[in-house]
Amino acid sequence: QVQLQESGPGLVKPSETLSLTCAVSGYSISSGYYWGWIRQPPGKGLEWIGSIYHSGSTYYNPSLKSRVTISVDTSKNQFSLKLSSVTAADTAVYYCATGEVEPGYFDYWGQGTLVTVSS
Amino acid sequence: EIVLTQSPATLSLSPGERATLSCRASQSVSSYLAWYQQKPGQAPRLLIYDASNRATGIPARFSGSGSGTDFTLTISSLEPEDFAVYYCQQRSNWPPITFGPGTKVDIK
Repeated sequence: QVQLQESGPGLVKPSETLSLTCAVSGYSISSGYYWGWIRQPPGKGLEWIGSIYHSGSTYYNPSLKSRVTISVDTSKNQFSLKLSSVTAADTAVYYCATGEVEPGYFDYWGQGTLVTVSS
Repeated sequence: EIVLTQSPATLSLSPGERATLSCRASQSVSSYLAWYQQKPGQAPRLLIYDASNRATGIPARFSGSGSGTDFTLTISSLEPEDFAVYYCQQRSNWPPITFGPGTKVDIK
């Protein structure tokens, strides 16, 4: 059973870079799957941020592409998200997730972590 | 970018009733559509993928249908634990992956 756990600062100042890590257990990232980040502003819907394949190929939401970097560290069995130049609009619960059933779907999710952008 | 719209925004029903949720895509997504359930304070849970395949452990009262641009999630008889928000999501020719705005199923 794949388990994912997000970690990182819960508060980020405007214009700074948001950094989160997703630790994976129960499965080796280097074995396969796409690993993704999805966010949800308070009281709103879901937005896909981007995904990374175990080989390191990345796929980003065009609306965020200029500010997003997703990377994978197979030695630590984790992957990371960096979102630069954040504003209050980036305040959201950030989820990491992966899909075993098919690439592009998400059947394993972390619990989510709230990141607030505020000075 | 493929835009997904969901209707209705809110569905008020009683336990035991049948729920029918709709998702429409701005262009064909073939059968590359999933449905998720989300309860307050929880991560979404995958219910249906590729339009009609139930994910592991999902009860048979949940079923999905459709292809192209029009899709339906049906809950045959609502259980108390089914009252939640439901999202559709497409993965056709991604990126980007996109989600619909959600349908809230609440207790009448």
